[in-house]
Amino acid sequence: EPEVTQTPSHQVTQMGQEVILRCVPISNHLYFYWYRQILGQKVEFLVSFYNNEISEKSEIFDDQFSVERPDGSNFTLKIRSTKLEDSAMYFCASSEMDYYEQYFGPGTRLTVT
Amino acid sequence: QQQVKQSPQSLIVQKGGISIINCAYENTAFDYFPWYQQFPGKGPALLIAIRPDVSEKKEGRFTISFNKSAKQFSLHIMDSQPGDSATYFCAARAGGSARQLTFGSGTQLTVLP
Repeated sequence: EPEVTQTPSHQVTQMGQEVILRCVPISNHLYFYWYRQILGQKVEFLVSFYNNEISEKSEIFDDQFSVERPDGSNFTLKIRSTKLEDSAMYFCASSEMDYYEQYFGPGTRLTVT
Repeated sequence: QQQVKQSPQSLIVQKGGISIINCAYENTAFDYFPWYQQFPGKGPALLIAIRPDVSEKKEGRFTISFNKSAKQFSLHIMDSQPGDSATYFCAARAGGSARQLTFGSGTQLTVLP
């Protein structure tokens, strides 16, 4: 069964450093998303992406964040200058169409020290 | 108004019992209501979803009940099994161009053997 994959599974970085989280969405899906989950809290939407453009973003997704689809398979989330409060699980999701179900990857645990 | 309120925070059920998790929302623009199951260290997995044109949807042991006038929906797990022990999140998405899922705060379900 096709699934969303994410790398790395765990990333440790120092405050102020840049990190790139990578995702490979399900191959025939056209809509891509990033969510995050701070430990013990609910899942929060960050951004949605379609046709090489951001289609929707939350208040969390400020200028420190950016997304890119550098090739036909990868979808990346970049955090330019990490803060301690960026420590969370980051989930990538994809959907075939915009009103279809979203399927989540296993997540990348980001720890900022 | 964008919130989805979920209860209870935790639930302990005996094997074979019925687990019931409730969610309520205010935003009448929400038109899609999925439930996700999350095991520790894993991403949320889509369990079952409903749209407001039906009052109930059943898939195996899992049933969503939807009350549009009360703006409430619930997940019922019949014949609960220890393998169902996980965190369950309800979510909602508005229609139109909005694609983000708004998640509830989660319910940690423990099914005792």
